Formats: sequence, C-alpha cells, structure tokens
Amino acid sequence: DVKVTQSSRYLVKRTGEKVFLECVQDMDHENMFWYRQDPGLGLRLIYFSYDVKMKEKGDIPEGYSVSREKKERFSLILESASTNQTSMYLCASRYREETQYFGPGTRLLVL
Amino acid sequence: RKEVEQDPGPFNVPEGATVAFNCTYSNSASQSFFWYRQDCRKEPKLLMSVYSSGNEDGRFTAQLNRASQYISLLIRDSKLSDSATYLCVVTPETHSGGYQKVTFGTGTKLQVIP
Repeated sequence: DVKVTQSSRYLVKRTGEKVFLECVQDMDHENMFWYRQDPGLGLRLIYFSYDVKMKEKGDIPEGYSVSREKKERFSLILESASTNQTSMYLCASRYREETQYFGPGTRLLVL
Repeated sequence: RKEVEQDPGPFNVPEGATVAFNCTYSNSASQSFFWYRQDCRKEPKLLMSVYSSGNEDGRFTAQLNRASQYISLLIRDSKLSDSATYLCVVTPETHSGGYQKVTFGTGTKLQVIP
C-alpha cells in the first residue's frame, strides 16, 4: 500500500510565524503535490513537483514556497503565516499519470 | 464557467435508495476521469476510475458522456457507510513538463438516512 504521511495533523501558529509542513511518501513517486481545501472552494493546487529539485506553481502559490531536496519528501513553507492561510493542507503523490494518493492532511489554524 | 462543476448537495437519501451524481467539465480535450470519496475530516481516497465504456464496481457504476461533457456516479442500494462527499476529478491537459494538470470538483455531499 502507498503511504503518504504528513508531519502534523493539527497545527496552531501565530500571524507572521514561519510554518513548515512536511510530506513523505514511501513509493518512489516522481510527482508530489500540495493542496489546500476550504469549504465551498474544494481542493486548490498550491505547488507541485515532478522531480527532485523541480517545482511548479499551481493555482494559488502566493504566500507559499516549497522544497524538494529528496524524492520522498516535499515540504510546504509559509514564509509569514497569515489568518487567510488557515485551512486544511493536503499532500499527495502520484506515479506518472496514475491516481493520486493523499496524506491525512494538516489542519492549520493561524491566529 | 468552472473547469469542473458539481452540485454540492447535500443529497439526503434513505437506506436502500439509488442515487446518482453528475459532474460536468468544460475542456473537451480532457483525458482521464476519476471519482474520489472523502469522509468528514479525512483525506480523499480513490473510489473508481471512469472509463469511456463505463465501469462498475459492486454497487457503484461510473459513466462518461463525452458528447455532453459529464461523468456520472450511480450508487445502488445505498448504505449508511456511503455517507461522504464525492469528488470528481478531471485531467484536462498536459503540462509542458509532461505533467497532467488535475482538477478537482468541489464535491457532492451524500447523507444516507436510516
């Protein structure tokens, strides 16, 4: 079974803090993704990576950056957290054009 | 027009009922289609792929209508455990780097009532 893990299930941060969300997959997938999910807006792609050190902006990259130094790990960074970044963050991985596998999600609250 | 559209529901149906959801997509060049299921406060999980010829998995049937640009999910003999949000997923285009952009619908909520 594919396993995608995320570093935290719940996180509370203050405005202006730097926040790191980590995602690890154990199936040697090339493609990894970061989404946020908000009520009524569905899943929105923040960034994706199709190889080590490669990254591409998704639909809503503003306020975020990513890092992929190793194939199994894809990190999402909020340089200076703001209250409008309170959301559910979901990481996913995928082998080529096959289905995506999601991690359990991180619920981030920015106060 | 949104790339992928779904009726948000909720669909409240009694146990044993048959229920169907549709999902429309705007890009006629779309290539692959999926249905995901998401339980409350959990991550989405693949329910089934949608093939051109239609496919069935137990009580679930998925169909694709390319002419009208929609996919459908039919659930027969609904169970309480079917209560969830159902997301449709479309891959409309190929990114320049070879990646296929994936677009998720906002989901349709199903509540099966005893």
